Amino acid sequence: NAGVTQTPKFQVLKTGQSMTLQCAQDMNHNSMYWYRQDPGMGLRLIYYSASEGTTDKGEVPNGYNVSRLNKREFSLRLESAAPSQTSVYFCAIRQVSYNEQFFGPGTRLTVL
Amino acid sequence: QKEVEQNSGPLSVPEGAIASLNCTYSDRVSQSFFWYRQYSGKSPELIMSIYSNGDKEDGRFTAQLNKASQYVSLLIRDSQPSDSATYLCAVNIPSNAGGTSYGKLTFGQGTILTVHP
Repeated sequence: NAGVTQTPKFQVLKTGQSMTLQCAQDMNHNSMYWYRQDPGMGLRLIYYSASEGTTDKGEVPNGYNVSRLNKREFSLRLESAAPSQTSVYFCAIRQVSYNEQFFGPGTRLTVL
Repeated sequence: QKEVEQNSGPLSVPEGAIASLNCTYSDRVSQSFFWYRQYSGKSPELIMSIYSNGDKEDGRFTAQLNKASQYVSLLIRDSQPSDSATYLCAVNIPSNAGGTSYGKLTFGQGTILTVHP
C-alpha cells in the first residue's frame, strides 16, 4: 500500500466510546488525507493536512478531530462514536508533483 | 448536481471484450483526473492519471479526457475476470477561494465492473 500503514485494521466500538485511528507513511510526503467510504457514497474527505503542523476540514469533518504531530503520522480521532460513523476509513498520501494519491489498507470501524 | 458522476452500474462484459467506464465532472477548472481500481475489501489502487486532452494508454488501459465536454473515460481492452472490481473516478477540483486545492480529490460513487468468462 505505497508505504502507508494504518492501525487498527478492524475495530468495534459502542456508541459514545472514543478511539484514534493511526496512519503512518514512510514516503516523506507532505500531504496526508483521511477519507471515509460508505456503500453508494464513494470516498469522502474528512480532513487533510497539507504539511506538518497544519490541518484543514474536508467535506465531512463533523464528529472527528485530527492531529499531525510530525511528517510521518496523521491520526484521526472519534471523541464520542456514533453509529453513523460506521464506515471504512482510508488514509492517503499525495505525490506533490502529479497530485496522485496513494491509499493505506484501511480501517473497518463498526459502532454499535 | 454531483461534482463527479460515473455511469451507473453494474457493468457486465464478457471476457475479451472492451469495457467502457465514463465519468463527468462539474468544475471546468479541474486539472487532474484519476482512475482507481478497488477490489472488494481492499483499498483503492491508482491505475491511470491524465492531465491533458486526448488519450493516454498504459497496457490494456486507455484514459480519455475531453475538458470541453467535461468528461473522462477509461477503456479496458481484452477484459479479464481479474479486472472485475469497482472503478472510481477522481478529480482534483480547485478550492472556491481560488487558492491551492492542496491536492484534494473528489470521487465519483464508483462503477462495479464484472467480467464473466
